[in-house]
Amino acid sequence: DAGITQSPRHKVTETGTPVTLRCHQTENHRYMYWYRQDPGHGLRLIHYSYGVKDTDKGEVSDGYSVSRSKTEDFLLTLESATSSQTSVYFCAISEDTDTQYFGPGTRLTVL
Amino acid sequence: AQKVTQAQTEISVVEKEDVTLDCVYETRDTTYYLFWYKQPPSGELVFLIRRNSFDEQNEISGRYSWNFQKSTSSFNFTITASQVVDSAVYFCALSENYGGSQGNLIFGKGTKLSVKP
Repeated sequence: DAGITQSPRHKVTETGTPVTLRCHQTENHRYMYWYRQDPGHGLRLIHYSYGVKDTDKGEVSDGYSVSRSKTEDFLLTLESATSSQTSVYFCAISEDTDTQYFGPGTRLTVL
Repeated sequence: AQKVTQAQTEISVVEKEDVTLDCVYETRDTTYYLFWYKQPPSGELVFLIRRNSFDEQNEISGRYSWNFQKSTSSFNFTITASQVVDSAVYFCALSENYGGSQGNLIFGKGTKLSVKP
């Protein structure tokens, strides 16, 4: 199994508060991704990174920002959480444009 | 636009039945990858298979087999002699910008398979 961890695994927060989710990998893979999973939508890409400090937007990037200061860490920040951001968030990694391996997910509830 | 359609939202079978999960895709790219992932009730996403657009050979892995047909833009997944442990949501996915700097995945909405004893 690919070495990917996500923290926290569960979080409950209130509307308007900032939230940061962390993805950590031990595989030294170049690419990292953040997806959200919602019923009826499958998984949708939020942001991705193709190297340290190199990031780009995905399909549903509004309200989210990311940072990657080290190869192994990719942070997803909700600047001011809203109830529509209640979701399960998955991080994924890949070497080149190859198979993506997913972390265990973070369940976020925004009240 | 790139798109993946899994028309079967839910399928229910009895153990030992064969079941086929359908996946139809749309892409402008001439080179691309197709994937299947499994999401069991525990929630993690498990990689099952990757197929590139140049390889239309069917693949078999134990009770699992995959049928890739470019002519119909389909990449169907068959489970032979299904078992209760096969109960999961299965996602088909298409890679975008194959060979470029992204490799982003476009997912279908998933098919929930329930295998009853």
